[in-house]
Amino acid sequence: GAGVSQSPSNKVTEKGKDVELRCDPISGHTALYWYRQSLGQGLEFLIYFQGNSAPDKSGLPSDRFSAERTGGSVSTLTIQRTQQEDSAVYLCASSLVLLAGSTDTQYFGPGTRLTVL
Amino acid sequence: QKEVEQNSGPLSVPEGAIASLNCTYSDRGSQSFFWYRQYSGKSPELIMFIYSNGDKEDGRFTAQLNKASQYVSLLIRDSQPSDSATYLCAVGYSNYQLIWGAGTKLIIKP
Repeated sequence: GAGVSQSPSNKVTEKGKDVELRCDPISGHTALYWYRQSLGQGLEFLIYFQGNSAPDKSGLPSDRFSAERTGGSVSTLTIQRTQQEDSAVYLCASSLVLLAGSTDTQYFGPGTRLTVL
Repeated sequence: QKEVEQNSGPLSVPEGAIASLNCTYSDRGSQSFFWYRQYSGKSPELIMFIYSNGDKEDGRFTAQLNKASQYVSLLIRDSQPSDSATYLCAVGYSNYQLIWGAGTKLIIKP
């Protein structure tokens, strides 16, 4: 079946503009994650959704960042008043129902490369 | 603080040899362990996961887990140039979160 999809694949914006990044998880996956990866760096956790709720938003870097998920499926990450330090690849991942006491495999989308000029 | 440590490399291995990638973690309660491969400019893709102590083999890949030593490793046999990538170790923490290592860059030399 289809994997995780993300759009756009690339986004170039000017400092101060708002951007929206979209993630479409694998069908049936209830858990959805957003990560950020700067050039040459590791994965930085941003937010986790279980269904439509976000029990862990601890990784959002500032109040300029927000995310929502609707219908237990598509998620949108919004960055307001973008800054140059927001430039990175934004990755979305999804996973199946989580077993108690274990963490399920996360499957990644291709990412959105955001460049803030 | 939960941590996952990996040698950043690069680790250079001749083609056809065994590549050994290592990872240590801090949370003794962790129960799930993952190895992902990330090619330059691409997103991480799962190689394999392991939950129990011991070895798990999948083709040319073997994951090894030692919970007492808080150590997980990935062996790649008969290394190929196409195995050149960054390998990410991820450790399950709580029932949803993965703690990620920074990755080891592997270079297979023809």
